Amino acid sequence: NAGVTQTPKFRILKIGQSMTLQCTQDMNHNYMYWYRQDPGMGLKLIYYSVGAGITDKGEVPNGYNVSRSTTEDFPLRLELAAPSQTSVYFCASRTLGAQTQYFGPGTRLLVL
Amino acid sequence: DQQVKQNSPSLSVQEGRISILNCDYTNSMFDYFLWYKKYPAEGPTFLISISSIKDKNEDGRFTVFLNKSAKHLSLHIVPSQPGDSAVYFCAAKSGLDFGNEKLTFGTGTRLTIIP
Repeated sequence: NAGVTQTPKFRILKIGQSMTLQCTQDMNHNYMYWYRQDPGMGLKLIYYSVGAGITDKGEVPNGYNVSRSTTEDFPLRLELAAPSQTSVYFCASRTLGAQTQYFGPGTRLLVL
Repeated sequence: DQQVKQNSPSLSVQEGRISILNCDYTNSMFDYFLWYKKYPAEGPTFLISISSIKDKNEDGRFTVFLNKSAKHLSLHIVPSQPGDSAVYFCAAKSGLDFGNEKLTFGTGTRLTIIP
């Protein structure tokens, strides 16, 4: 039972490069979320999705894009990496009617 | 504007004693609260939750208390064990977000259990 998986675990990007953070869940959850956590801070919501084909912005969406073509996958795209995007990124999912979100192990991103 | 606040960045407790982690919130529309536990290099894991219609919820060594009038909740761990050493996040859901429920997280409290 894999739950929520994220790849890569760690990545170094140069300013201006782009990358996609992958997130997959095998629990058939409708809702999926992307958060970032900066040192000493709580988790900030970047984007979320309530089902395949439906996404919406969270608290800090600038510089990111998402898509949700399947129930299982919710990739997060960084188009022009900036040092301010250095953070740890967590993907989460939950089922309809429940409030508990299940988190992946995170992707640590360093932009230099 | 920090709607969920954990004012103690860190807490150290002797093994076997009670750990009390606190959380304050400002949004009176929050109707559901959760505590998550996070170990280094791992994602947060759900610990315990409470609905605003209750004032206490218990699960084994973990109890969450909610004081709505004070907009305050606390997590009690008793007895504390070394494996409880982690960062604990308080999170809240607004009753206005029906159908698109999102969580607002606090900044976390690092709990260290001293053997």
